[in-house]
Order: sequence, then structure tokens, then C-alpha cells
Amino acid sequence: GAGVSQSPSNKVTEKGKDVELRCDPISGHTALYWYRQSLGQGLEFLIYFQGNSAPDKSGLPSDRFSAERTGGSVSTLTIQRTQQEDSAVYLCASSPHWGAGYEQYFGPGTRLTVT
Amino acid sequence: DAKTTQPNSMESNEEEPVHLPCNHSTISGTDYIHWYRQLPSQGPEYVIHGLTSNVNNRMASLAIAEDRKSSTLILHRATLRDAAVYYCILRDLDYGGSQGNLIFGKGTKLSVKP
Repeated sequence: GAGVSQSPSNKVTEKGKDVELRCDPISGHTALYWYRQSLGQGLEFLIYFQGNSAPDKSGLPSDRFSAERTGGSVSTLTIQRTQQEDSAVYLCASSPHWGAGYEQYFGPGTRLTVT
Repeated sequence: DAKTTQPNSMESNEEEPVHLPCNHSTISGTDYIHWYRQLPSQGPEYVIHGLTSNVNNRMASLAIAEDRKSSTLILHRATLRDAAVYYCILRDLDYGGSQGNLIFGKGTKLSVKP
């Protein structure tokens, strides 16, 4: 079946511009996660959703970052007034349910470059 | 989440079995053992997970020690495509203490020689 998809695959933007990154999870998966990976670094957790709700937003690196999920499906990660340190690969993952006993399936990522 | 320890790197020959070890001496009774891998320039890929019993799937086998303080990911016949960084991750079933996100360490970089 179809896996997690993300768009765009690559995004180059100028410093100070806003960007929107989209994630389409696997159909029927109730849990959705956003991570980012800077060049040569490990994965950094950003935020997760149970259905449409994000119980804890403390992983977002600054108030320029926000995320929403509508209809229990598609999620959008928005970065306002982008900075060069925002350059990274942004990864989305979905899981059948939230919790430790369930695996996460990752999308291919969006490579964001802020110039 | 409890800490895991993995070797930084391992080498294998193509078509031979590979045993990737993971130590987790402080594991709690409610920690699941998860394995993911990340191929070059790709997102992480789920491999296998288990709680107490050994697990098998089409990709690999997971052997869990009786005291659960260590586990081994077994690739039965390594291929060149299996060259990746392999991450052993513990995830606590105690919902109140976790957001459910994965915490990736440094993992083991597996090289496969033809």
C-alpha cells in the first residue's frame, strides 16, 4: 500500500520567508510525528499528533514553528520567518496508534535550505 | 527512555548473517525494544520490535536475552542494500512518561562487503 508521502521533496527559501511542509500519513494511522535532521546530526523530535490533537508542543524549537493536522489525516508544519539554522531535512512519520508498542513509518522527508 | 549501547560500526560480508548487538542494562519491564535503520540519504525505516519474546519478520529477527538486558538484531543474509546505520531504541509503555516519539542515539554503522 501507499506509504507516508511528503511534499515538497526539496525547498529552497530566502531567510525571513515563511514555508509550509506537508505530510500525508498512511491511511488509517492515528498517530503522526514530525522530526528534523540537520546535516550529519541525529533526529530531533518536534511534535506529535493523536488524531487532530497535539498534546505537547514543547519539542518545537521556537514559536516560529507551528503544526496542524486536519481530519485526522494530512499535517502541515509551518515555519515563519525562516532562519539559516532551520535548514535541515524534515521527516514525518505515522503509526497505527500512539504509544510504545507501535512502529513508526517514515516519509522520504523534505530538504529545506534557507539561503 | 532507558539508554542503549551499540558498537559504533560493524562489517559484514555479503550473503552472510549479521548479528547486531544492543545493551540496555537499565531496561524496565514496560520498555519495548525497537530497531530502525537509516540508509544513506533516506529517512529511517522500521525493522522490528518486541517486548519479551523473540520476534521474526520478513526483514530480520530479534533475539531478546532472558533478562532483557540485551538484544540482538539478526539479518539472516546481508545484502549490499543492508548497509545502513542501525538504531536500537527503547520505548516505554508508560504513556504518562513519554510522548511516544523515538529517541535516536548514534547507532551502529553496518558496512557490507561484496
